Amino acid sequence: KNQVEQSPQSLIILEGKNCTLQCNYTVSPFSNLRWYKQDTGRGPVSLTIMTFSENTKSNGRYTATLDADTKQSSLHITASQLSDSASYICVVSDLSGGYNKLIFGAGTRLAVHP
Amino acid sequence: GAVVSQHPSRVICKSGTSVKIECRSLDFQATTMFWYRQFPKQSLMLMATSNEGSKATYEQGVEKDKFLINHASLTLSTLTVTSAHPEDSSFYICSAKDRSYEQYFGPGTRLTVT
Repeated sequence: KNQVEQSPQSLIILEGKNCTLQCNYTVSPFSNLRWYKQDTGRGPVSLTIMTFSENTKSNGRYTATLDADTKQSSLHITASQLSDSASYICVVSDLSGGYNKLIFGAGTRLAVHP
Repeated sequence: GAVVSQHPSRVICKSGTSVKIECRSLDFQATTMFWYRQFPKQSLMLMATSNEGSKATYEQGVEKDKFLINHASLTLSTLTVTSAHPEDSSFYICSAKDRSYEQYFGPGTRLTVT
């Protein structure tokens, strides 16, 4: 079963526009939720990390929200730039095995067009 | 931030040969290192977890005799793909964890088996 689901699967927006990516998870208990940006052919780079007690966290033009009650998170990108074109991966840290195992979503592929 | 390197970044090998991929934490000591595999347009899948000086823990379905992992020091882990076949062609990514819960990802290694 897929414990971390992201939507949409892909998204095309025009440069300068905002967008919001969604993440629903069923992982429990969890330690933290992370958003990563992965450029094609590169490793993931951390954007935000939130514990279950945090509701929002920002990193420049990226703002992540977390609702631990509904098990939903979102990543909002403001004033998109061409360099934002990448895959955005939601990752939940699973504590059930006694250690921090990361559960990855399939990602949202964002394309920013001029 | 912490830096993790991988070498090589790309490798092409013939079917039946073995390939070694190195993962190094450059500015911190990694108590644990992880190896992931990523197929095109899919998310990262954990292959194994290795702790320095001990045997790696492999995920279900990953052949330990085919994917040999050595974590000889706190800054170096190696993944050897033995008797590689075309279906082993993939993007291999390592990550390293320090004493906190943060994982730092390497840039990945593109393996192509011909």
